[in-house]
Amino acid sequence: DGGITQSPKYLFRKEGQNVTLSCEQNLNHDAMYWYRQDPGQGLRLIYYSQIVNDFQKGDIAEGYSVSREKKESFPLTVTSAQKNPTAFYLCASSIMTSGWGETQYFGPGTRLLVL
Amino acid sequence: AQTVTQSQPEMSVQEAETVTLSCTYDTSENNYYLFWYKQPPSRQMILVIRQEAYKQQNATENRFSVNFQKAAKSFSLKISDSQLGDTAMYFCAFMSQYNNNDMRFGAGTRLTVKP
Repeated sequence: DGGITQSPKYLFRKEGQNVTLSCEQNLNHDAMYWYRQDPGQGLRLIYYSQIVNDFQKGDIAEGYSVSREKKESFPLTVTSAQKNPTAFYLCASSIMTSGWGETQYFGPGTRLLVL
Repeated sequence: AQTVTQSQPEMSVQEAETVTLSCTYDTSENNYYLFWYKQPPSRQMILVIRQEAYKQQNATENRFSVNFQKAAKSFSLKISDSQLGDTAMYFCAFMSQYNNNDMRFGAGTRLTVKP
């Protein structure tokens, strides 16, 4: 079955620790995205990537880093510089055939908690 | 920057009844895409319906339909014959034609379908 997988489902971070959230898709989508969801708020864009080895910052990129070494994978690292990382993180992907307006499809999410 | 407003934090409806969720947005663009996503308790974001701004006809998907009022910048979602499985958070989202990688989400409406 085609889809987007995220792991782990739950992640605990200690103070000063970097943690990496995994996102993999087998939909052959070109673009991938990372969003953060806080209670009572909509999703906010952290980073996105349209092609391999290229990515762009979203509204709240500070304290996060990404890589796109393979089309299928777009891992997100939450660094120690992110002072309030507790949130629900959603990965999404979309095709880019028409250039814009393509629907974004989401993974099941990762809940990050700080110990 | 575009903003999306969902003025109803919570709503409830009886099973089999009809409910309408409101969404307004702010933009100076003439063409863009609008989306409704559903997030059930599993927290997986699922596309419900999408609408391209230059299309006059309102989009429909089975029991879901929209009332798109471009001049008023309004994009409401109507759910007919509500089912218990429709219980979820519903998010309205805006996609600019100039930056298709940046979707703007509203804060969401929590819908409860009562038996």
